[in-house]
Amino acid sequence: AQSVTQLDSQVPVFEEAPVELRCNYSSSVSVYLFWYVQYPNQGLQLLLKYLSGSTLVKGINGFEAEFNKSQTSFHLRKPSVHISDTAEYFCAVSASSSNTGKLIFGQGTTLQVKP
Amino acid sequence: EPEVTQTPSHQVTQMGQEVILRCVPISNHLYFYWYRQILGQKVEFLVSFYNNEISEKSEIFDDQFSVERPDGSNFTLKIRSTKLEDSAMYFCARQGDEQFFGPGTRLTVL
Repeated sequence: AQSVTQLDSQVPVFEEAPVELRCNYSSSVSVYLFWYVQYPNQGLQLLLKYLSGSTLVKGINGFEAEFNKSQTSFHLRKPSVHISDTAEYFCAVSASSSNTGKLIFGQGTTLQVKP
Repeated sequence: EPEVTQTPSHQVTQMGQEVILRCVPISNHLYFYWYRQILGQKVEFLVSFYNNEISEKSEIFDDQFSVERPDGSNFTLKIRSTKLEDSAMYFCARQGDEQFFGPGTRLTVL
C-alpha cells in the first residue's frame, strides 16, 4: 500500500518570493508521482507528474518538482509566486504496477500568497 | 471544453434519501474513477471502473454505494441511503495520459 505525507498544512509566503511545498511518500513498490492544484470551489488540475526518466519535472504555471528516490520525496517548487497561485496543493501517488491507476492523495497544503 | 463534466454542481438531500451523481467523460476512455473530499480533508479514492465493471474499490465504498455506466456515456455514482457523513465533494475522473478530474458535485446531507 502507498501513503503520502504533506508536511505543511499551510504555507504563507509573500508575492514574488520562492516557495517549496513538501511531499514524502511511502511505498513498497515503484510509484508514479503527481502534484494537483485546487483553486477555491473548483476541481483538481494536474500541475506536473513524474513517471520515469529525469528526476526534475517541470509543470504548468512555472512549477517544478524533484523526485528523490532515496529520500522518498517529491517536493514542489516555484522560484517566484504570484497572488494567483493561492490555492490548495495536493501530492499524489499511484503504484506503477497498478492495474487501476488509483491515486492516493496527501492531506494537502494551502499556499497563501500575500501582497 | 472541459474534459469531464458533472451534474448537479450542488445536491442537498435529507438523510436516508437516495442520490445519483452524474459524470460525462465526453471522450471514449475505458477507465473512470470516483473520489470524494470531505470538507477540509484529503481527496479519497472510492472506486475505479473499467470496461463497465468495478476494477477496484476502497473500504469506504460499501453496499450503500454503486456505480453504473448506463448508456455508454454517462457514469453515475448512486448512494442508496445517505448519511450525514456522506456530505462531501464528489469528483469523477477519467484516465487518459493522466487522470482528468471533473469540477465536482457538492453533496450536502441534512
